[in-house]
This record gives sequence, C-alpha cells and structure tokens, in this order.
Amino acid sequence: AQRVTQPEKLLSVFKGAPVELKCNYSYSGSPELFWYVQYSRQRLQLLLRHISRESIKGFTADLNKGETSFHLKKPFAQEEDSAMYYCALNRVRGGSEKLVFGKGMKLTVNP
Amino acid sequence: DTGVSQDPRHKITKRGQNVTFRCDPISEHNRLYWYRQTLGQGPEFLTYFQNEAQLEKSRLLSDRFSAERPKGSFSTLEIQRTEQGDSAMYLCASSLVGGNEQYFGPGTRLTVT
Repeated sequence: AQRVTQPEKLLSVFKGAPVELKCNYSYSGSPELFWYVQYSRQRLQLLLRHISRESIKGFTADLNKGETSFHLKKPFAQEEDSAMYYCALNRVRGGSEKLVFGKGMKLTVNP
Repeated sequence: DTGVSQDPRHKITKRGQNVTFRCDPISEHNRLYWYRQTLGQGPEFLTYFQNEAQLEKSRLLSDRFSAERPKGSFSTLEIQRTEQGDSAMYLCASSLVGGNEQYFGPGTRLTVT
C-alpha cells in the first residue's frame, strides 16, 4: 500500500528564514511525487512535481529514493508562502491515477 | 472561469437524508476524480472516471455512496442516508490521460446534523 507521511503539522518561521517541509513515502514501485499548496480561501493547486526538477516560487524538492523522501525547501521564506502544503504520491509514472496525500502541514511566515 | 467547478459549495442536511453533489471538470479533461477531506487530514481518494467509465473505487466508498459520469462530462456524487461521519469537504479534480497534474475544484462542504 502507498503511504505519505508529513511528520510535522505546523511550522512557523520569520520572513527570510529557510524552510524545509518534510515528506516521506512508502511505495514498492517507482512513484511520482508532488507538492500541492492551498492558500487561504483558495483551491488546492500543484506547486511542483519531482519529474520536472524545477524551482517554483523559490521552492525546490528532490526525490531521495534511498531515504524515500521528498522534502520541500526554500532558502528565504516570504509572507506570501503562508499556506497549507500537502505532499502527494501518484503510483503511475507518466499517467494520472489516484493521488495519495499526506495530512498536510501549515506554514506560517511571520513578518 | 474555465477551472473545475462544484455545486453546491455548502450543504447542510439532516442525518438520514440523501444529498447529491455535482462536478464540472475542465472541458477537455477525460479523467475526473473525487476525494474527501476531513478536518486535519489530507484529501482521501474516493473514485475516478475515465470518460464515462468508473475505473476505481476506494474502500471508503460504502454502499451508500454512488458516483456517475453519464456522458463523460460532468459527474455527480450521491450519498444516501447520510450519517454524521459523512461531514467533510468533497473535492473534485480533473486531468488529461497521460497528464500528471490534477486540477482541483473549490470543494463542497457537507455538514450532517
């Protein structure tokens, strides 16, 4: 069975501080990993995916197959980064079937 | 707005009543997904369609739940004989086959009293 674990529910930092949102997964195959974000009063939206290896809004995430982790990082947090962040796993590489989500983490960036 | 839309946005019902939710996906998307999200949890998969075919159902989807996508466009999710445990946000998402981004709707918040 697939499982996604986000060990921390809350993270509060000051503007300009580095942030790391942890995500670990369990899956025997080769999954695709994603980070979704939900800003206040907005719908869930894709932030980034591991296969594109891109930086979005200053965030990066590297898939570590040895540690089965996909941690989200940003060197200098901004107030507009305050949101709920969900790590998600798709068991089908290249296609789109069900997503398995972690419980989410609330990031608050203080001025 | 060409995104995924859901109706209603909020529904309050009494225990034992039936409710139906509607989801309109992005027009060219042939896959449509339903998820449920309770407080403090991430979205949990319920079911998904490719065109009008329902390809997978979660064990979370009890006999009281039924979903349809009759013409491969919009979808409905019906809950019969609602229970208080059904109170949740019901999310719909759509995607292209072969695409790996799911686009989410705003959700329908169900409260069962």
